[in-house]
Amino acid sequence: AQSVAQPEDQVNVAEGNPLTVKCTYSVSGNPYLFWYVQYPNRGLQFLLKYITGDNLVKGSYGFEAEFNKSQTSFHLKKPSALVSDSALYFCAVRDGGGSNDYKLSFGAGTTVTVRA
Amino acid sequence: EAEVAQSPRYKITEKSQAVAFWCDPISGHATLYWYRQILGQGPELLVQFQDESVVDDSQLPKDRFSAERLKGVDSTLKIQPAELGDSAMYLCASSPNRGRSYNEQFFGPGTRLTVL
Repeated sequence: AQSVAQPEDQVNVAEGNPLTVKCTYSVSGNPYLFWYVQYPNRGLQFLLKYITGDNLVKGSYGFEAEFNKSQTSFHLKKPSALVSDSALYFCAVRDGGGSNDYKLSFGAGTTVTVRA
Repeated sequence: EAEVAQSPRYKITEKSQAVAFWCDPISGHATLYWYRQILGQGPELLVQFQDESVVDDSQLPKDRFSAERLKGVDSTLKIQPAELGDSAMYLCASSPNRGRSYNEQFFGPGTRLTVL
């Protein structure tokens, strides 16, 4: 079984401050990890992924995430948040065991609010 | 840039009625997914297709839900009869089997269903 936990329902930061959205995962094989962002009444937009390689992954809109195998975490970060980053963020995991089953398991989401 | 298309964007129906949602994946994407996202939660996979074949429908309530992808391209998700608890956002996603975006899922804008 695979699962994702996003321990914070909401994150509030001031514009210009660093933003961190936490994610921990559980998977039996090698983790493939993803971050998506969702704006109101819209579908999910891909931000970044970790499959293999460097633990620090850079993605869209200045976001990055750090894979930590020992802590089973994949926290999303942005050095300087913008008001336009206010949205709902989802972490997702799938087992990279080599099968053709690309089933993703999503966390419950974290609402980010960036105040001007 | 190619996108996943879904229609309708919004649907209001009365309980016990039938509803249908349509999805057109990105051209060339062999894998297609239908997710249900209840307000305040992450998306949950309902059904996954590889070309025209169902790979995973373990979470699809088969007494009332059905999905098809007859020619391995576009897909239809049907609910009959609709129940109050079916009110949610229904998301379609697709993914390629190879290339730079391998392992990524591309989401459509979703269909928001309200059952009265």
